[in-house]
Amino acid sequence: DAGVIQSPRHEVTEMGQEVTLRCKPISGHDYLFWYRQTMMRGLELLIYFNNNVPIDDSGMPEDRFSAKMPNASFSTLKIQPSEPRDSAVYFCASSSGTGQNQPQHFGDGTRLSIL
Amino acid sequence: AQSVTQPDIHITVSEGASLELRCNYSYGATPYLFWYVQSPGQGLQLLLKYFSGDTLVQGIKGFEAEFKRSQSSFNLRKPSVHWSDAAEYFCAVEPGGYNKLIFGAGTRLAVHP
Repeated sequence: DAGVIQSPRHEVTEMGQEVTLRCKPISGHDYLFWYRQTMMRGLELLIYFNNNVPIDDSGMPEDRFSAKMPNASFSTLKIQPSEPRDSAVYFCASSSGTGQNQPQHFGDGTRLSIL
Repeated sequence: AQSVTQPDIHITVSEGASLELRCNYSYGATPYLFWYVQSPGQGLQLLLKYFSGDTLVQGIKGFEAEFKRSQSSFNLRKPSVHWSDAAEYFCAVEPGGYNKLIFGAGTRLAVHP
């Protein structure tokens, strides 16, 4: 079975440019999560969706960040305008619900470098 | 606020030696507990999880973890480490099934031949 698929794997862009990260969750999973991993702050939850609806976006750092989930098989995380401090690895994860035996499955991440 | 502490940033062991990675959490009730492993350039892979019941949990790749309520700990162990176990290991808690994982800072494991 295909796991969580993220694209691109690597992104290098200049400060001020718009960046769009993409995620395809595991089929049948109704929860989708976006995380950011940095050396300074470790792994942080940015936002998560349930049935395509954003449930908790309290981790989104500022208005430059936005996330959408137009359907059950696709989500985007957008940064506009990007800044060097946004450089990090961004992970998408999905799960099939809350409660027991519903762990989150992670994609391989997008390594973002803002110059 | 909930938090997870992994006291050891780096650990080096010899191949074949035993391993214990420490994890302590701060939460009023018993959370759901997880250990994930991250190889370089890869995402996080679930090693094992604890929700309730038997406090000794078996996972993949020969790992196990023991939940100790009195110590608020969930330490990861392996009796004999293989070179392929070199990676970064993350302990995580999910308070009360709210689906928000809180991660520790991670422990980077190096294995000497």
